[in-house]
Amino acid sequence: EIVLTQSPGTLSLSPGDSATLSCNPSQSVGTNYLAWYQQKPGQAPRLLIYATSNRAAGTPDRFSGSGSGTRFTLTIRRLEPEDFAVYYCQLYGSAFQYNFGQGTKLAIK
Amino acid sequence: QVTLRESGPALVKPTQTLTLTCTFSGFSLKRSGMSVTWIRQPPGGALEWLARIDWDDDKYYRTSLKTRLTISKDTSNNLVVLTMTNMDPADTATYYCARISTTTTHDAFDVWGQGTMVTVSS
Repeated sequence: EIVLTQSPGTLSLSPGDSATLSCNPSQSVGTNYLAWYQQKPGQAPRLLIYATSNRAAGTPDRFSGSGSGTRFTLTIRRLEPEDFAVYYCQLYGSAFQYNFGQGTKLAIK
Repeated sequence: QVTLRESGPALVKPTQTLTLTCTFSGFSLKRSGMSVTWIRQPPGGALEWLARIDWDDDKYYRTSLKTRLTISKDTSNNLVVLTMTNMDPADTATYYCARISTTTTHDAFDVWGQGTMVTVSS
């Protein structure tokens, strides 16, 4: 099973800052099946990025995804107050299994 | 507009079987490339994928829970059912269903239901 490790666990920033969230698979993976989700308290997750770098419908362009192999990144430029949430990366891997990372909490400093 | 809604009991006893229903609209599970999936999240915890059913009735389960899960669909009534046997307090979680559109979002979960909280307790 491929384990996704997200870092940091918590990231404290201010509105207007830029955020860099990491997702590191335990083995090299392709880029087609790495996604990022945003979850706000009391809400269901929302798809932000799919296939590493493609923004889902409605995702603002201040969100961008990149990476390959064992290092993937979600970058959020010019943080808005509504961006403070928990972010999960997800992999659809071999043997038809989905795995999620443990999440990064983006907190207001 | 694509919507999904989960329904089921809020409380089940240990060893009982949980049955959850996902009722959806705005898409057809008869259409090639469409799937519905279930995910759960324990209180304060991370997301955990459970099962998936495809338009052609292919089914996939989380390896560690495979013996306890069954997923099925009723395309005439636009619903997907998940059963989980032998419930344990560790299965207490919010259960979500979500849509997968293989052809547009590379198997990511592009639309989610609001979730239903299930507590396992005697």
